[in-house]
Amino acid sequence: DVKVTQSSRYLVKRTGEKVFLECVQDMDHENMFWYRQDPGLGLRLIYFSYDVKMKEKGDIPEGYSVSREKKERFSLILESASTNQTSMYLCASRRRGQAREKLFFGSGTQLSVL
Amino acid sequence: RKEVEQDPGPFNVPEGATVAFNCTYSNSASQSFFWYRQDCRKEPKLLMSVYSSGNEDGRFTAQLNRASQYISLLIRDSKLSDSATYLCVVPRGGTYKYIFGTGTRLKVLA
Repeated sequence: DVKVTQSSRYLVKRTGEKVFLECVQDMDHENMFWYRQDPGLGLRLIYFSYDVKMKEKGDIPEGYSVSREKKERFSLILESASTNQTSMYLCASRRRGQAREKLFFGSGTQLSVL
Repeated sequence: RKEVEQDPGPFNVPEGATVAFNCTYSNSASQSFFWYRQDCRKEPKLLMSVYSSGNEDGRFTAQLNRASQYISLLIRDSKLSDSATYLCVVPRGGTYKYIFGTGTRLKVLA
């Protein structure tokens, strides 16, 4: 089974802090995703990486950046955390390419920004 | 109109009941569909994939109606452990994007 591991289950940070969320997958997947999930809004795509050092902005990239230096690791960075970034963050991965490929999710990080 | 729409529920059903919920999608070119199950404060987990007319796995059946542009999920002989939110996911063809419904909440009551 694919394993997608997120480094923290719960995080509490202060406004203005730089926050790093880490995600590691063990199945050699080319594609990795960062989503946030908020009540009533569903999952929204923040960033997508289709391979090492390759990234594309998703639907809501403002206030976030990402890093993919190794195939198995995809990091989400909040440059200066704000209270409206309080959310559940979900990392996902899949094999390269087609829409038929299913997504595998990490267990999520519930981030609270105070 | 939203690309993917689901009734948020909750659907409250007794144990042993059969329950069905639908997901409508707007892009008639969509070719593949997924149902994910999500427990409270947990990650979504794949329940079923639907690539043609439908799919069946034990008590769960997913059906695709292309003419009316919806997929349905039928759960037979509901168990308490089926209580969860069920997410409909539709890949946006030609892109890497997946469009997520906001989910339908199911509560199975003893």
